[in-house]
Amino acid sequence: DAGVIQSPRHEVTEMGQEVTLRCKPISGHDYLFWYRQTMMRGLELLIYFNNNVPIDDSGMPEDRFSAKMPNASFSTLKIQPSEPRDSAVYFCASSPVGWDPSGNTIYFGEGSWLTVV
Amino acid sequence: RKEVEQDPGPFNVPEGATVAFNCTYSNSASQSFFWYRQDCRKEPKLLMSVYSSGNEDGRFTAQLNRASQYISLLIRDSKLSDSATYLCVVEMDSSYKLIFGSGTRLLVRP
Repeated sequence: DAGVIQSPRHEVTEMGQEVTLRCKPISGHDYLFWYRQTMMRGLELLIYFNNNVPIDDSGMPEDRFSAKMPNASFSTLKIQPSEPRDSAVYFCASSPVGWDPSGNTIYFGEGSWLTVV
Repeated sequence: RKEVEQDPGPFNVPEGATVAFNCTYSNSASQSFFWYRQDCRKEPKLLMSVYSSGNEDGRFTAQLNRASQYISLLIRDSKLSDSATYLCVVEMDSSYKLIFGSGTRLLVRP
């Protein structure tokens, strides 16, 4: 079975440009999470969705960041305009409803490595 | 205060050693707890859940102390392949919102 699929895997962009990261969750999973990982701050939850509806976006750093989930199989995280401090690995993850804590409850994609110069 | 705190390490141990990692969390309403493992330049993956009674999976033992809001992971007979970053994870308020610690790096040397 396909896991969480993210694109692009790597992106280098210039400051001020718009960046769009994409995610396809595992089919049938109702929760989708966007995380950001940096050396300084570790893994931070940015936003998560349940059944395509944003539930908690308190981790979104500022208005330059936006996330959407137009349907159950696709989500985007957009940064506009991008800044060098946005350089990080952005992980998308998904999980099924009513997850069992004893199981593998959250599945991560391989990440999108973003560098803003 | 961070919601989940870990000693960043690195812990540098010889093969065969026993090593323990600790983690504290700030929200007493937290319900579920996990340890994840992350290899260099890879995504985090679930290592094991942490139950109130403590649980063991082969060489790995996890403990939870709710009164002290403290979680631990013990690795016995360390292998070279155990070298990774270990992330303490707490689910906040049964909200399906997982908060990750910054991770403890383990290096197992021959």
